[in-house]
Amino acid sequence: KAGVTQTPRYLIKTRGQQVTLSCSPISGHRSVSWYQQTPGQGLQFLFEYFSETQRNKGNFPGRFSGRQFSNSRSEMNVSTLELGDSALYLCASSHQGQGSNYGYTFGSGTRLTVV
Amino acid sequence: AQSVTQLDSQVPVFEEAPVELRCNYSSSVSVYLFWYVQYPNQGLQLLLKYLSGSTLVKGINGFEAEFNKSQTSFHLRKPSVHISDTAEYFCAVSDRIRSNDYKLSFGAGTTVTVRA
Repeated sequence: KAGVTQTPRYLIKTRGQQVTLSCSPISGHRSVSWYQQTPGQGLQFLFEYFSETQRNKGNFPGRFSGRQFSNSRSEMNVSTLELGDSALYLCASSHQGQGSNYGYTFGSGTRLTVV
Repeated sequence: AQSVTQLDSQVPVFEEAPVELRCNYSSSVSVYLFWYVQYPNQGLQLLLKYLSGSTLVKGINGFEAEFNKSQTSFHLRKPSVHISDTAEYFCAVSDRIRSNDYKLSFGAGTTVTVRA
């Protein structure tokens, strides 16, 4: 059974640009959540999509957005990149949703560096 | 809102020694509890979870955790660590916020460094 696949693994972007990250969940999982991980702030929840609808949202500015497709694949987009957006972005999929008794399966992440 | 406190940010330990990572959470009627491990440049991997039943939960790689409802704790232990256990460990707690919808909260993480 394939795991959660995130592409690309590494990205370098310039301030002001925009970026799109992709996540393919485990087959059959309907929930996809995104997290930002930085040394200073730890793991911060961005948003969760369940059956193509955003179900939960963290406290991030509107520059951060996402969507989910009918095959449960998800993308997140960050517009007008800032230096502080440099982080490891993790995607996690679940059968039912955040932390339900099925738990979460994480991808290996996309390391975004903004210069 | 649920909060998760990992009491130690760094835990250095010698190889073959025991280790305990402490996790406390704010009270709730019912929660699911998880420990995840993150190796360098990788995502998080589930070590173990507590859903219900026996308060002692066994996970992968020889780890176990004990759920203590009265102390709202879920401490992780391993009786004898290996160099390969060097990683960051995250405690997570799931709250049911509405029907079929849960919120997962993570602790700040504990970095375990195993030395020979």
